[in-house]
Amino acid sequence: EAQVTQNPRYLITVTGKKLTVTCSQNMNHEYMSWYRQDPGLGLRQIYYSMNVEVTDKGDVPEGYKVSRKEKRNFPLILESPSPNQTSLYFCASSFRKDTGELFFGEGSRLTVL
Amino acid sequence: AQSVAQPEDQVNVAEGNPLTVKCTYSVSGNPYLFWYVQYPNRGLQFLLKYITGDNLVKGSYGFEAEFNKSQTSFHLKKPSALVSDSALYFCAVSPRVYNFNKFYFGSGTKLNVKP
Repeated sequence: EAQVTQNPRYLITVTGKKLTVTCSQNMNHEYMSWYRQDPGLGLRQIYYSMNVEVTDKGDVPEGYKVSRKEKRNFPLILESPSPNQTSLYFCASSFRKDTGELFFGEGSRLTVL
Repeated sequence: AQSVAQPEDQVNVAEGNPLTVKCTYSVSGNPYLFWYVQYPNRGLQFLLKYITGDNLVKGSYGFEAEFNKSQTSFHLKKPSALVSDSALYFCAVSPRVYNFNKFYFGSGTKLNVKP
């Protein structure tokens, strides 16, 4: 089954404790991206990757890091999480040379205390 | 700055009636336009898109959307609503200059379809 898988789905952590949210897709998509969803703000793009070893900032990259060492994986790293990073995070992928339809994971709800 | 507006936080409609969910945008150039739907505790699912051509675009589950260049709008419509259409709907735009790398989403509109 074609899918985008995120882990963990739910996480409660404390300020400053490094964490990684993993994202994996099995559709051989070139393009992957991360979003955060906050009430009243919709989804805002954090980072995106056009292919292996090619990443770039979205609109809200502060406090986040990413890497793309393999085509299927695109982890989101919070080196020192803060309470304002409490949010619902979505990973998405797409055939970049197609017409932009994004396939989303089911989301990771992160709470930073 | 690029922005997408969904002016209604919530839309209520009776089953069988037509529905419209509004979207306007302020994005440079002629962007690509999308609608996504989100069911509770799920990721977003693609509904339809406008790339070029006919201003009326048909998508999944009987939904359609009309692109209006002069009003910079891309309203989502369905002739006859179903209770199962109740969900959160997001409009998204992608400026052509970014070649599908950057996307801007609206704040979402909750659609309630009452039996």
